[in-house]
Amino acid sequence: NAGVTQTPKFRILKIGQSMTLQCTQDMNHNYMYWYRQDPGMGLKLIYYSVGAGITDKGEVPNGYNVSRSTTEDFPLRLELAAPSQTSVYFCASREDGNTIYFGEGSWLTVV
Amino acid sequence: GEDVEQSLFLSVREGDSSVINCTYTDSSSTYLYWYKQEPGAGLQLLTYIFSNMDMKQDQRLTVLLNKKDKHLSLRIADTQTGDSAIYFCAEGFSGGYSKLIFGAGTRLAVHP
Repeated sequence: NAGVTQTPKFRILKIGQSMTLQCTQDMNHNYMYWYRQDPGMGLKLIYYSVGAGITDKGEVPNGYNVSRSTTEDFPLRLELAAPSQTSVYFCASREDGNTIYFGEGSWLTVV
Repeated sequence: GEDVEQSLFLSVREGDSSVINCTYTDSSSTYLYWYKQEPGAGLQLLTYIFSNMDMKQDQRLTVLLNKKDKHLSLRIADTQTGDSAIYFCAEGFSGGYSKLIFGAGTRLAVHP
């Protein structure tokens, strides 16, 4: 079972560059999430989606954008990358119920 | 506000029990979760407890919830080297997008 798949796993960006973190899930889940994890901190919610075509901001949305054109895919876009966006990014999905499934993470460094 | 706090580090000897503690501030949460994160990997759900329960046992794992003190603990019996990881406590809320508030994680180191 693939579950939640994120790409790339590692990426180094220069300040001001843009990139998209890809996330796809094969469980037909309506709810999808993007979190970031900074050293010594818990996960913070960037954006979430409750279904195709519906997205909303989480706790730390500045500098990011998302789209949800299909149930499976929830890409996270970084425009004008800044050093403060150096972090580990996790995509997650959930259907009704308690269990949230996380991807394996994307390590991003902005230099 | 909403806050979840955990101690950052715990070291135990192999075979001993580990107890990881967590406190939270928002008593309206519906579920409380424990996630495990191994190096270079995503978060794996270990167990969760409904907020109206006091205890849940699942093989080597025992979760205790004290709602009055807003205190949650995870006990791992017979701790093994494979249990070395970061353990995250999280509060979960029903409705809306099912918000999760995470603690900063406790790094468990198991030594011989």
